[in-house]
Amino acid sequence: GDSVTQMEGPVTLSEEAFLTINCTYTATGYPSLFWYVQYPGEGLQLLLKATKADDKGSNKGFEATYRKETTSFHLEKGSVQVSDSAVYFCALSDPGAGSYQLTFGKGTKLSVIP
Amino acid sequence: KAGVTQTPRYLIKTRGQQVTLSCSPISGHRSVSWYQQTPGQGLQFLFEYFSETQRNKGNFPGRFSGRQFSNSRSEMNVSTLELGDSALYLCASSTGRTGGYTPNTEAFFGQGTRLTVV
Repeated sequence: GDSVTQMEGPVTLSEEAFLTINCTYTATGYPSLFWYVQYPGEGLQLLLKATKADDKGSNKGFEATYRKETTSFHLEKGSVQVSDSAVYFCALSDPGAGSYQLTFGKGTKLSVIP
Repeated sequence: KAGVTQTPRYLIKTRGQQVTLSCSPISGHRSVSWYQQTPGQGLQFLFEYFSETQRNKGNFPGRFSGRQFSNSRSEMNVSTLELGDSALYLCASSTGRTGGYTPNTEAFFGQGTRLTVV
C-alpha cells in the first residue's frame, strides 16, 4: 500500500536558520503530494501542494519540489521564524484509491527559538 | 465562507459507552473524510463519504462507523469505547467528484474533536 516517510524530529532551530524536512513516499499510482501544518490545538492547514513531477509548490516562504525519480518531496525554507513553530505533515493522495483520502507521514515537530 | 465545523470540541466518555461526533463541511463540498490522530500511530484514515455513500474505509474495526446526510453533514460513531480510542478525530471536506479523484483537490480540515476515554 501507499506510505509516506518523513524525519520525525523534533527539530529545533534558531530564528533565520535554514529548514529542511525530508519526505519520501511509495505509491501504486501517480500521487499528488502535500505538506500540511498543524499549530497547537488546531486542525491541519494546507501549506503547499504539487500534482506532477518537477512541480514546485510554494507558500509563505516554504517550498517543495515533486521528485518522481527519487520519490521525494522535501520541505525547505530559507529563513525560519518563531511563528513557524508547528508540526509539519507530508501527505499524498493516490488516484488508485478510488476515493479522496490522504496518507500521512508521522509528522515533524519544529521549534524555532529567538 | 465558513470553514469545516466539528462538534463537540472535547468529549470525555467511559469505557464501553458509545459516542457520536459531528462534522459540517464547507458549503458546496460533497466529500467528507474522517481521520484519527494519536501520538503513537499519527494520522490514520477512517473513511470517506461522497453524496451519502461510503467510498472507502481504512483499517479500523467495525465499532467505527459513519454516515453522511443529504446536506453533506457527516457523523461518525464509535461503539463500545476502549481506552485506545482516545484521540483527536479530524474531519476534512473537499469538493470531490463522481469517480473519486481530482489531482488538484484540496482537503480542508476542521479543528477536531478531542475524545478521552476513561
